[in-house]
Amino acid sequence: AQKITQTQPGMFVQEKEAVTLDCTYDTSDQSYGLFWYKQPSSGEMIFLIYQGSYDEQNATEGRYSLNFQKARKSANLVISASQLGDSAMYFCAMREGRGGSQGNLIFGKGTKLSVKP
Amino acid sequence: ETGVTQTPRHLVMGMTNKKSLKCEQHLGHNAMYWYKQSAKKPLELMFVYSLEERVENNSVPSRFSPECPNSSHLFLHLHTLQPEDSALYLCASSQPDRGHTDTQYFGPGTRLTVL
Repeated sequence: AQKITQTQPGMFVQEKEAVTLDCTYDTSDQSYGLFWYKQPSSGEMIFLIYQGSYDEQNATEGRYSLNFQKARKSANLVISASQLGDSAMYFCAMREGRGGSQGNLIFGKGTKLSVKP
Repeated sequence: ETGVTQTPRHLVMGMTNKKSLKCEQHLGHNAMYWYKQSAKKPLELMFVYSLEERVENNSVPSRFSPECPNSSHLFLHLHTLQPEDSALYLCASSQPDRGHTDTQYFGPGTRLTVL
């Protein structure tokens, strides 16, 4: 069974609008971390935002926010005021456990976001 | 200075060649990782090194041989590869620490083509 599911292979958004990228996860651990990464066509995986399973508030980093719904096991990424440079692949990832070798990252298949001018 | 660097950025090799990929991190981390990213597949973890010791080998064929001489450098030695090994190879580093987010920071990757 997939541990990280990203159901949107591709998404389009108009420049300056907000967009939500979906991510659901599956774990029986109580302690885990959720990450979002951006991968432009150049290939580098860029860390965007982190949410810990015990964090009570949704994480925010600039134009990125994470809509964390623990009971539904979802961790959707919201990008506000989209820019042309946001066009890229976006990956959701989960680390089970408290980090280190016991908690390696499991990645979803990604969502390709295209921002239209 | 860029946090994690990888060289070369592109590599084309024949199945009988021997080559090495290099990764260097300038973040003071003590864990390093190799990932493989093939077309239309999720990232696959290959190897994990923590404090220069290999702590995980994710059933990777022996034609891939990692080396971590110190906490800042990680190599992936390649020999007698197959065409299906063509992929983007990403290196990452992190600072596993109790209570830390242990965020992994990635390099730009080496795009490998095996002919």
